[in-house]
Amino acid sequence: DAGVTQSPTHLIKTRGQHVTLRCSPISGHKSVSWYQQVLGQGPQFIFQYYEKEERGRGNFPDRFSARQFPNYSSELNVNALLLGDSALYLCASSPELGANTEAFFGQGTRLTVV
Amino acid sequence: AQTVTQSQPEMSVQEAETVTLSCTYDTSESDYYLFWYKQPPSRQMILVIRQEAYKQQNATENRFSVNFQKAAKSFSLKISDSQLGDAAMYFCAYRKIQGAQKLVFGQGTRLTINP
Repeated sequence: DAGVTQSPTHLIKTRGQHVTLRCSPISGHKSVSWYQQVLGQGPQFIFQYYEKEERGRGNFPDRFSARQFPNYSSELNVNALLLGDSALYLCASSPELGANTEAFFGQGTRLTVV
Repeated sequence: AQTVTQSQPEMSVQEAETVTLSCTYDTSESDYYLFWYKQPPSRQMILVIRQEAYKQQNATENRFSVNFQKAAKSFSLKISDSQLGDAAMYFCAYRKIQGAQKLVFGQGTRLTINP
């Protein structure tokens, strides 16, 4: 079975532009979470979606938004990019919403804002 | 808010030796989960071991074991018989039982294995 897949793997954007990152969860997984990992730091939680509804939001500005589609794939959108948005964006999927479920991570999208 | 602290930015160990990575956390919850994740250069986070706070017995997974001290809010990872493939960034993480499946990560420890 394929793991969590993210696209693109790398991209470069200019300040002020908009970006969309995509995530396909493991087949059968209904929950998707997004994390931002700035170089040299641990990942920080951005969003969790389950059954197309937002179930959690981290401390990020409104420039960050996300959605989940009927097939459980997800998009993370970032508007008005800043240099500080340069980071590795990780997607994680889980089978259910319950506490006793493991999160499986993708290999991330490396975003560079210039 | 919950916080996780890893005070060792870098650690190194000789191949086949044992190394312990430290982690402390802060929470007012009584039940929660603690994790150790490994992030190799491929960037993918890989779960190494998990501990439920309500279990007193320390978790073990082959060469990996934890020392969970709930009162001290300490959660260290011991890697025995270190192998070259263990070289990676290691992150300690916390998750509440209720609510969103939000993982709170520490800053990470870079582990180098010397042949």
